[in-house]
Amino acid sequence: GENVEQHPSTLSVQEGDSAVIKCTYSDSASNYFPWYKQELGKRPQLIIDIRSNVGEKKDQRIAVTLNKTAKHFSLHITETQPEDSAVYFCAASKWNGGSQGNLIFGKGTKLSVKP
Amino acid sequence: KAGVTQTPRYLIKTRGQQVTLSCSPISGHRSVSWYQQTPGQGLQFLFEYFSETQRNKGNFPGRFSGRQFSNSRSEMNVSTLELGDSALYLCASSLGQGFTEAFFGQGTRLTVV
Repeated sequence: GENVEQHPSTLSVQEGDSAVIKCTYSDSASNYFPWYKQELGKRPQLIIDIRSNVGEKKDQRIAVTLNKTAKHFSLHITETQPEDSAVYFCAASKWNGGSQGNLIFGKGTKLSVKP
Repeated sequence: KAGVTQTPRYLIKTRGQQVTLSCSPISGHRSVSWYQQTPGQGLQFLFEYFSETQRNKGNFPGRFSGRQFSNSRSEMNVSTLELGDSALYLCASSLGQGFTEAFFGQGTRLTVV
């Protein structure tokens, strides 16, 4: 089955710096790659996602890149702010026409942004 | 619009007992998935239901089961509880049509003593 590896497990940056989190997946049939942010004691929330037919997607300070050949995708956060501090999870899934499919998650990256 | 609702929020059970958790998806969502979250293993997929049918199943023992009702509400059951079943159980719902966002509930914190 699908396996998702995520690195690093912890990341500490200064406010205003950029943060990059990387994930690799094993199943070449996976076609949907969301990123979730989970603040302490709260539910995971989708921050950005990308489909396999797209190489890059950007939403304000957040961007995701996908390399299908290498089977890896990355989250880039620019101009980090203290409120970006949280645990970030990448995931991979095979979505078909009528079903959500299953999300296979990486182990998470704890991002700390120091003021 | 109400979000995904999970009940109860907290549960304490004894080893060997069974437990049932409930998930009410966002209105109009037909797909519900369940995940187990632990500090050591992260978020692990349990199973997914769409229109009352189990579509996918993760790598968990048969003690973990679930079902979905005609109104899309879902329940998961864990029988013969073990200490290692202590975790946050999250459900997520989505429209289930194509690429749509999965919305998570607040989770049920299960503690097995």
